[in-house]
Amino acid sequence: GENVEQHPSTLSVQEGDSAVIKCTYSDSASNYFPWYKQELGKGPQLIIDIRSNVGEKKDQRIAVTLNKTAKHFSLHITETQPEDSAVYFCAAGSARQLTFGSGTQLTVLP
Amino acid sequence: DVKVTQSSRYLVKRTGEKVFLECVQDMDHENMFWYRQDPGLGLRLIYFSYDVKMKEKGDIPEGYSVSREKKERFSLILESASTNQTSMYLCASSPPGLVYNEQFFGPGTRLTVL
Repeated sequence: GENVEQHPSTLSVQEGDSAVIKCTYSDSASNYFPWYKQELGKGPQLIIDIRSNVGEKKDQRIAVTLNKTAKHFSLHITETQPEDSAVYFCAAGSARQLTFGSGTQLTVLP
Repeated sequence: DVKVTQSSRYLVKRTGEKVFLECVQDMDHENMFWYRQDPGLGLRLIYFSYDVKMKEKGDIPEGYSVSREKKERFSLILESASTNQTSMYLCASSPPGLVYNEQFFGPGTRLTVL
């Protein structure tokens, strides 16, 4: 089955700096890569996703890049704000099931 | 807005008890999912259902069963709770198409088995 590894497990940045979270996956059949954000006391919420026919996607301060050859994808958050502090999960999916990474606790320091 | 509700935010049970976790969604979604969330392990899929009375095993179904008698409701059952089932349990729902649609999550149930 699919195996998704996510790094780092914790990340602290100063407000206004950029944050990058990286994931690798094992199954070359995976073709859908969403990112979810989980705030304290809440369930995860989709923030951005990318499909395998696209190399990069951007939505305001958030961008995701995908390298299918190397089987890795990354989340980039620019101009970080305190409200970006949360746990972020990457996932990889194909046809029937999503497999999630282990999560990154992002802390934005004021 | 999609709303996924879970019957309890916190639950404490004893080893050997039968435990029911209930999940209800109000958006007429076909798909429903049960995950458990543990530190360092992320979200792991226990069971999912793509239609009423249909269910499929996820990655870690052992020790769990599910029931989907109505479209809006998906129940997770621990037949005989054990301490290693202490965890956060998350329910989610999504429109048709198991993978490529956004999953909407409930707030979670933190289960402690003593």
